[in-house]
Amino acid sequence: GESVGLHLPTLSVQEGDNSIINCAYSNSASDYFIWYKQESGKGPQFIIDIRSNMDKRQGQRVTVLLNKTVKHLSLQIAATQPGDSAVYFCAETMDSSYKLIFGSGTRLLVRP
Amino acid sequence: DTEVTQTPKHLVMGMTNKKSLKCEQHMGHRAMYWYKQKAKKPPELMFVYSYEKLSINESVPSRFSPECPNSSLLNLHLHALQPEDSALYLCASSPQGAYNSPLHFGNGTRLTVT
Repeated sequence: GESVGLHLPTLSVQEGDNSIINCAYSNSASDYFIWYKQESGKGPQFIIDIRSNMDKRQGQRVTVLLNKTVKHLSLQIAATQPGDSAVYFCAETMDSSYKLIFGSGTRLLVRP
Repeated sequence: DTEVTQTPKHLVMGMTNKKSLKCEQHMGHRAMYWYKQKAKKPPELMFVYSYEKLSINESVPSRFSPECPNSSLLNLHLHALQPEDSALYLCASSPQGAYNSPLHFGNGTRLTVT
């Protein structure tokens, strides 16, 4: 299940299940969105991106969905594996900008 | 391994020290970034260099001084830091602006100010 507390929201899933991580973005003018994965002791690692002229994009085992009406982004991970355990951040930017702004992050824990 | 290399990996410094963080990329990227990340928080943008010129300073205190000697290198000079400046400092690069393609991040320098 998903919990929100004083620390990072945490999503705990069983290995092999699908995971859905959600993100509410702030700026209605944002038109480019990226999901990053950050493992302990490492920098953020690119997973998948999507532009505002699309509402869905698929990669290997990952899908990003964009709902511009409610400013919502989600990352779906199929057949979650222990190696998927990490903190996941969504990030947003807008046309011609050099600013990439990160959302608050979700910790994904995969139970064996 | 990442294509953005940051040194040192760890740094402990006193409040009166002067130190520098270094970042290097050889991907031909023309935009380079410094982010600061506190524990359990998202990275926060500090500075952006575009074509070796400072294009964004997110109201960062002057005790942090960035420098871009050439298109492959980015430094962050530190002087008279405070304990609350302890954090993970991340460098990133992108071919052009953040709107064009994803940023590539290094693994950061873990800074502790005593």
